[in-house]
Amino acid sequence: EPEVTQTPSHQVTQMGQEVILRCVPISNHLYFYWYRQILGQKVEFLVSFYNNEISEKSEIFDDQFSVERPDGSNFTLKIRSTKLEDSAMYFCASRGSDRDFFDSPLHFGNGTRLTVT
Amino acid sequence: GEDVEQSLFLSVREGDSSVINCTYTDSSSTYLYWYKQEPGAGLQLLTYIFSNMDMKQDQRLTVLLNKKDKHLSLRIADTQTGDSAIYFCAETYTDKLIFGTGTRLQVFP
Repeated sequence: EPEVTQTPSHQVTQMGQEVILRCVPISNHLYFYWYRQILGQKVEFLVSFYNNEISEKSEIFDDQFSVERPDGSNFTLKIRSTKLEDSAMYFCASRGSDRDFFDSPLHFGNGTRLTVT
Repeated sequence: GEDVEQSLFLSVREGDSSVINCTYTDSSSTYLYWYKQEPGAGLQLLTYIFSNMDMKQDQRLTVLLNKKDKHLSLRIADTQTGDSAIYFCAETYTDKLIFGTGTRLQVFP
């Protein structure tokens, strides 16, 4: 079964550094998302992306965050200057085509654990 | 705002049924989901139900939806030790999912 893949599985970075988290969504999917989960807390929506632009973003997704689909397969989340509180598990997700959007559940990757020191 | 509530813990004996409950606030949710998360792992989609359905069964899993009370439940029949995990309920709101806090299911022999 096709799946969403994320790399790396674990990233350690120093405060103030830039990080790029990478995702390869399911190949025929058109809607892409980033969520995050701070340890022991809820999974929170960050941003949704469709047709090469952001559809919706949460309050968490401030100017330090950006997303990009640099080619036909990758979907990246960049954090420009990481803070300690950015430490979390970041999940990428994708969902279906235009035709089956309303019958298309969200499929998540296994996540990237980001540790900011 | 939108909110999804779950109890935090559930402990069951192996072989018994588990019932995990969830309440949500957005009556316009089109889909409601159950995800499973094992320690250190990602979010595995278990099942989902469309809002015009009352029940959905998938092998050992039964989802019940009470739209009037905005209550969703997940029943796991013949619970096994491998079912030990955190179970998240999620509702759709516009284009995104709103997750509950998760219920930690512990299965003991």
